[in-house]
Formats: sequence, C-alpha cells, structure tokens
Amino acid sequence: DSGVTQTPKHLITATGQRVTLRCSPRSGDLSVYWYQQSLDQGLQFLIQYYNGEERAKGNILERFSAQQFPDLHSELNLSSLELGDSALYFCASSPQGQSNTEAFFGQGTRLTVV
Amino acid sequence: DQQVKQNSPSLSVQEGRISILNCDYTNSMFDYFLWYKKYPAEGPTFLISISSIKDKNEDGRFTVFLNKSAKHLSLHIVPSQPGDSAVYFCAASLEGIRADGLTFGKGTHLIIQP
Repeated sequence: DSGVTQTPKHLITATGQRVTLRCSPRSGDLSVYWYQQSLDQGLQFLIQYYNGEERAKGNILERFSAQQFPDLHSELNLSSLELGDSALYFCASSPQGQSNTEAFFGQGTRLTVV
Repeated sequence: DQQVKQNSPSLSVQEGRISILNCDYTNSMFDYFLWYKKYPAEGPTFLISISSIKDKNEDGRFTVFLNKSAKHLSLHIVPSQPGDSAVYFCAASLEGIRADGLTFGKGTHLIIQP
C-alpha cells in the first residue's frame, strides 16, 4: 500500500459528460501529480500541484483541469469527454516539489468513455 | 516525439538468470533517472534511481547503469525471481526548481520463466 488513495477505481461514462477523479496523497506529502496512461502508452504527465498551487503543466488538455485543496487532496476534472479519453489515470504524491525524488502512486482510476 | 524509449515491449528470462532492461533518452537536459515496477491492477512502485553524476547505482539484486554519452541506461536484475515478473518503466526528470513531472517510457513487460 503506497498510502495514496484514488477514488473511484472504475468509472464508465458517456461521451460529452464530465467526471471528477479524486486523490488523497500520503500523509505529509505536499506535491500531487496526475498522469494518464492510455492503451499501449507510457504514463503521460498531466499536471502537478504543490501545497495548493499549480507547479507544472504537462500534456493536459484544455478540457481537463485540476485543483489541490487546503487538506492537500486533489481532484482532476475531465469535461466534454471523448472516446479517446478512456485511460488509466494515476495520481502520485511526493514530500516536496522536485520531480527527481521518489513519487508514490495510487492504484489508479480506470475511466471508460462509451 | 518520445523522449524516453523502451524499445523492447517484452522480455522473457529464466529464473536465476540476469534480466537486463534497456532505456534510451533523447533529451540531454535530463539529469535524474528512475525505474518503476508495475503489477497488474496496481500503481507503479519506485524501484531504483540514478543521478546523472553517477554511472552506476546498486540496491540489492538491482543495479542501474547510466551511459550519458550514449543517452542510455539499463536495469540489471540478478538473480531474476518469479516475483520480478511485472512491467518496468524507465522515467527521467529535470532537476532543479523547475518541477515538471516525470517523463516515462512505454514500459517493458518482464516475464520470469520457472
């Protein structure tokens, strides 16, 4: 158990809809990262938050947004969903803001858009 | 354009032998490299890392070698055990204040044969 909790584990929704994925980082970790793993793809970095502030952006679509709350949990919002958004979405946390440290991953949320 | 490449989607090794997983990168600005291991239905877990100022890092049965001139790193597992069967991801990061997320390869599925 990494200590990172993601909910829900599975999500099936229709095209055009909006969903929210939730992540609770390890106790004491200030950084939260979101990654997307599509079929046959490696993990693609989407966005990072550090202590409530956006720290870095990767390949995140404009239809996607995220935030980190005062209690450090984070939510990833995906809107106007398309079939191609079907993927595994992972959240990871680390104590500080630098990515060159070990990050702890949650089990992921499998999103299926039909 | 993929900046981190794992050209072998899968690798089969006999139990007790050495497993060698390879990874190439194109961005010479990467200065920290990590290997993650992933079992089905779980998130990736950190295995071992290496800074660009080193050419080797060892942790028990796992050794990572870095060849900066060739922009190549490899993970050696000796001896290979059945529990090592998993997908291994190579990842790279940029050090410093700028905190982008990790750039991952697509992974190599290691199968340890009894």
